[in-house]
Amino acid sequence: KNEVEQSPQNLTAQEGEFITINCSYSVGISALHWLQQHPGGGIVSLFMLSSGKKKHGRLIATINIQEKHSSLHITASHPRDSAVYICAGHFGNEKLTFGTGTRLTIIP
Amino acid sequence: KAGVTQTPRYLIKTRGQQVTLSCSPISGHRSVSWYQQTPGQGLQFLFEYFSETQRNKGNFPGRFSGRQFSNSRSEMNVSTLELGDSALYLCASSWGAGSSGANVLTFGAGSRLTVL
Repeated sequence: KNEVEQSPQNLTAQEGEFITINCSYSVGISALHWLQQHPGGGIVSLFMLSSGKKKHGRLIATINIQEKHSSLHITASHPRDSAVYICAGHFGNEKLTFGTGTRLTIIP
Repeated sequence: KAGVTQTPRYLIKTRGQQVTLSCSPISGHRSVSWYQQTPGQGLQFLFEYFSETQRNKGNFPGRFSGRQFSNSRSEMNVSTLELGDSALYLCASSWGAGSSGANVLTFGAGSRLTVL
C-alpha cells in the first residue's frame, strides 16, 4: 500500500531556529513533492525531487531513496514561514499520495 | 503570466444536485490534475489529464468525473452530491505529466464546495 507519513504533526519554534520536517514513505517512489499551504487554502509547490538535494533561498529539501525518507529544512526561520507543509509521493502508478501535513508556527 | 484560475471560488449545493468546477491552467501547461481536501482525509488525488487524456484516476466513486479540452482547460463534475463531498477542490497545472521532471505543480486557489 502506498503510504506517506510526516513528522512532527505540529511544530512550534522561535524565530531564527533551524527547522526540520520529515517525510517517510512505504515503497519506492519516482519523485516527491514538498508543498506549502497557508491559511485560506493556497498551496505553493516548493520542491519536486527524485534524488539528492535541492535548495531555494532558506529552504533545503533532501531525499534518500534507499532509506525511503525525505526532509525539508528551513534555515533562519521567520514568522512568515508559518504554514502547513505537505509532502507527496509519486508511486509506481504515478498517482500522488499525500502526507497529513506538518503545521509549523514560528513565534517572533 | 496568469496563474491557474479556478471557478467558482465558493458554491453551496444541496444533496442530490450536481456541480461542475472549472480549471484554466497556466498558458502552455498541458497537464491538469485535481485534488480534494477535507479536514478528515486531507489531500487526496482525484484525476490527472494530459493532452485531453485521463492518465490517472484516484479512488473515488464514479460520481466524480472530469475532462480536459483542447485548450487544456479542465472541468470536473460531481453528480448526486452527498454531504461528504463538502471540501476544497484544488486543481494544479504543469508542463509535463506524472513524475516527469517537468511536472512542477502550480495550484489554483481552489473551489470550496458546501453541500447542505
